[in-house]
Amino acid sequence: AQSVTQLGSHVSVSEGALVLLRCNYSSSVPPYLFWYVQYPNQGLQLLLKYTSAATLVKGINGFEAEFKKSETSFHLTKPSAHMSDAAEYFCAVSGGTSYGKLTFGQGTILTVHP
Amino acid sequence: DTGVSQDPRHKITKRGQNVTFRCDPISEHNRLYWYRQTLGQGPEFLTYFQNEAQLEKSRLLSDRFSAERPKGSFSTLEIQRTEQGDSAMYLCASSPGGGTGVPGNTIYFGEGSWLTVV
Repeated sequence: AQSVTQLGSHVSVSEGALVLLRCNYSSSVPPYLFWYVQYPNQGLQLLLKYTSAATLVKGINGFEAEFKKSETSFHLTKPSAHMSDAAEYFCAVSGGTSYGKLTFGQGTILTVHP
Repeated sequence: DTGVSQDPRHKITKRGQNVTFRCDPISEHNRLYWYRQTLGQGPEFLTYFQNEAQLEKSRLLSDRFSAERPKGSFSTLEIQRTEQGDSAMYLCASSPGGGTGVPGNTIYFGEGSWLTVV
């Protein structure tokens, strides 16, 4: 079975500062990994995904994530936060018997201060 | 591409009543998913269809829940005899066949249907 742990349910940064949202996964098979963003009262939008190609993945809105197998991590970063980045972010894993569907972490709420 | 649409967006119902949610996937997608999300939690998988066939159901999907996709297009999720614990957002999603098992595929989510049971 696959699982995801997101470290930190809330992260607060200043506008222009580095954004780092942490995600660690557990999977008995090579995983596919995803980051989704959810704005209030809306569904989820895909930011980026890792599917065993390049370990550094670039996504929309200036976000990127690096797959580190040795650390079982897939942390999300953005060099400079913008007010519009304030949202909830979910890391998700797919793999093994659950190929084809997603297992999500608990989410991290990002707050951006002016 | 009009995206995944869900109806209604909000539903308030009394405990014990039945409710039904509808999902229209992206038209060329033959895989359709239902997830449930409660406040402060990530989405939890409920079930998915490949065309009209329901291929997997989570243990979360009690016998009060039933999902259908009769013609392989839209889907309905019915909750019978609602309980307060059913209050959540129900998310529908769709993808091309194989879901995330195919590297190039993406699962696209609708905006969700909020259920409040009073």
